[in-house]
Amino acid sequence: AQTVTQSQPEMSVQEAETVTLSCTYDTSESNYYLFWYKQPPSRQMILVIRQEAYKQQNATENRFSVNFQKAAKSFSLKISDSQLGDTAMYFCAFMTRGSTLGRLYFGRGTQLTVWP
Amino acid sequence: DADVTQTPRNRITKTGKRIMLECSQTKGHDRMYWYRQDPGLGLRLIYYSFDVKDINKGEISDGYSVSRQAQAKFSLSLESAIPNQTALYFCATSERMAGAPGSTDTQYFGPGTRLTVL
Repeated sequence: AQTVTQSQPEMSVQEAETVTLSCTYDTSESNYYLFWYKQPPSRQMILVIRQEAYKQQNATENRFSVNFQKAAKSFSLKISDSQLGDTAMYFCAFMTRGSTLGRLYFGRGTQLTVWP
Repeated sequence: DADVTQTPRNRITKTGKRIMLECSQTKGHDRMYWYRQDPGLGLRLIYYSFDVKDINKGEISDGYSVSRQAQAKFSLSLESAIPNQTALYFCATSERMAGAPGSTDTQYFGPGTRLTVL
């Protein structure tokens, strides 16, 4: 079974500071994808960043970057220069390339609050 | 215009009523999904469809049914709504041949439907 664990239900950070959100996953697959989605108060699910497991290089998207540790099955999200608009629920998600190809497994989310 | 739309955006209904949630997409994707979000539980997969003739149950399909009317339309029905189906429902789409070279495998979500069953 595929599981995704986000151990931090809530986090807060001051504007302009850096924050890291944790995510671990469990799978027996060797080929898969990992995602971070953001859900602001508007409730829209927005893709933040994506990582292919076969790539050793960590993905980056502007102020967002990941620390992908395949052996440890860890996929943390770092947000640099936090902005008020980053306040949202963040979900880590996992997708295998096996028989359940295309199916996303989500963690329970981390509520991030950025304060002035 | 949004690539993935859901109607209605909000709905309040009573126990025992039949209700349909609709999803339309203009992204040209073959794959469509229905998820349910409950507080503290993340999103869970209800049904998914890899093309018009291919529909599959997800992890929480009991009490739900779906219809893929066309490549661009995927509807979720609650035949007899019950209060524990109160949740936020999301439709999502992704490209065909997920995992193939050049595909992105990324799922794109609609704005969600807030359903309340009294």
